[in-house]
Amino acid sequence: NAGVTQTPKFQVLKTGQSMTLQCAQDMNHEYMSWYRQDPGMGLRLIHYSVGAGITDQGEVPNGYNVSRSTTEDFPLRLLSAAPSQTSVYFCASRSGAGVNSPLHFGNGTRLTVT
Amino acid sequence: EDKVVQSPLSLVVHEGDTVTLNCSYEVTNFRSLLWYKQEKKAPTFLFMLTSSGIEKKSGRLSSILDKKELFSILNITATQTGDSAVYLCAAYSGYALNFGKGTSLLVTP
Repeated sequence: NAGVTQTPKFQVLKTGQSMTLQCAQDMNHEYMSWYRQDPGMGLRLIHYSVGAGITDQGEVPNGYNVSRSTTEDFPLRLLSAAPSQTSVYFCASRSGAGVNSPLHFGNGTRLTVT
Repeated sequence: EDKVVQSPLSLVVHEGDTVTLNCSYEVTNFRSLLWYKQEKKAPTFLFMLTSSGIEKKSGRLSSILDKKELFSILNITATQTGDSAVYLCAAYSGYALNFGKGTSLLVTP
């Protein structure tokens, strides 16, 4: 049971570079989301998707793009990395369109932008 | 603006102590409140609460929700060093799960 898989685990970027953080789940979950976690700030929602072809913004969407072409995958793109995007990124998913189910988290990607 | 506030932000106790972690919330379209435990990596799910006054229990951990006063507590009895972690509270507002900043618990031998 793989659950939610994130790659890479660690990444160092220079300012202005682009990259994609990958997230895949094998639980057939409809809902997927991306959070960033910074010291003293808790987990903040970046983008989420309630199903293939549908995405929406969370609390801190600026500087990030997402797409959802399949149920399994929900990549997060940084088009031009900035030092303020240094953070730990978590992908999470849950079953169903209803909200009474817990999120299952991946193990995170630690991103450093220099 | 939706907000979830946890207190205290950090706590140090001795093994065997009982601790109570607090979570207050103000979210639109509230659906449920969740508790997670986070050690080095991903948060792991502890409890989901949807109804007031009904205690959920798992071993030495228990939690309860008060929808009138908009808060929840997480109790840990007979703490062990393995309970050391950050405990996160989160509230569903529509589709979005909004997290508090967490309570960092350190249990010393």
